[in-house]
Amino acid sequence: EAQVTQNPRYLITVTGKKLTVTCSQNMNHEYMSWYRQDPGLGLRQIYYSMNVEVTDKGDVPEGYKVSRKEKRNFPLILESPSPNQTSLYFCASSLSFAGANSPLHFGNGTRLTVT
Amino acid sequence: DQQVKQNSPSLSVQEGRISILNCDYTNSMFDYFLWYKKYPAEGPTFLISISSIKDKNEDGRFTVFLNKSAKHLSLHIVPSQPGDSAVYFCAASGRTGNQFYFGTGTSLTVIP
Repeated sequence: EAQVTQNPRYLITVTGKKLTVTCSQNMNHEYMSWYRQDPGLGLRQIYYSMNVEVTDKGDVPEGYKVSRKEKRNFPLILESPSPNQTSLYFCASSLSFAGANSPLHFGNGTRLTVT
Repeated sequence: DQQVKQNSPSLSVQEGRISILNCDYTNSMFDYFLWYKKYPAEGPTFLISISSIKDKNEDGRFTVFLNKSAKHLSLHIVPSQPGDSAVYFCAASGRTGNQFYFGTGTSLTVIP
């Protein structure tokens, strides 16, 4: 089954404790992206990747890191989480870049709480 | 600054009637527009899209209309069904950009 898989689904952590949210897709998609969803703000892009070893900042990249060493994986790293990073996170992928009439496929989300 | 706006946070419609969800955008370089549907505890799922060379695209009960001069798109669902109750996001991207921009979402409730 074609899918985007995120782990974990739920995560509670404390301020400053490094964490990684994993994302994997099995559709051989070139483009991958991370979003956060907050009430009243919709989905905001954190980072995206056009292909292996190619990553770029989205609209809200502060406090996050990503890597794209393999085509299928795109982990999101919070080196020192803070309470304002409490949010619902979505990983997404598409066949090609955003301007190529190629819709995004989303994972089921990771609910992160930082205390 | 929000480049894609959905000004109605919620909408309630009777089963069988038409649901109309609206979306406005500010960037005239956007040329690909999408609608996503999101149920609780799930990721958004792609519903329908339209490119700027068209003004209408239909898929079953779902039709998207694009008015480029007004920078406005709408999603029509006819007839509405209780299973359509979800949050709907519109999104846009440009030919020269590498990002999708999302609206804040409209929560649709279809009343049986």
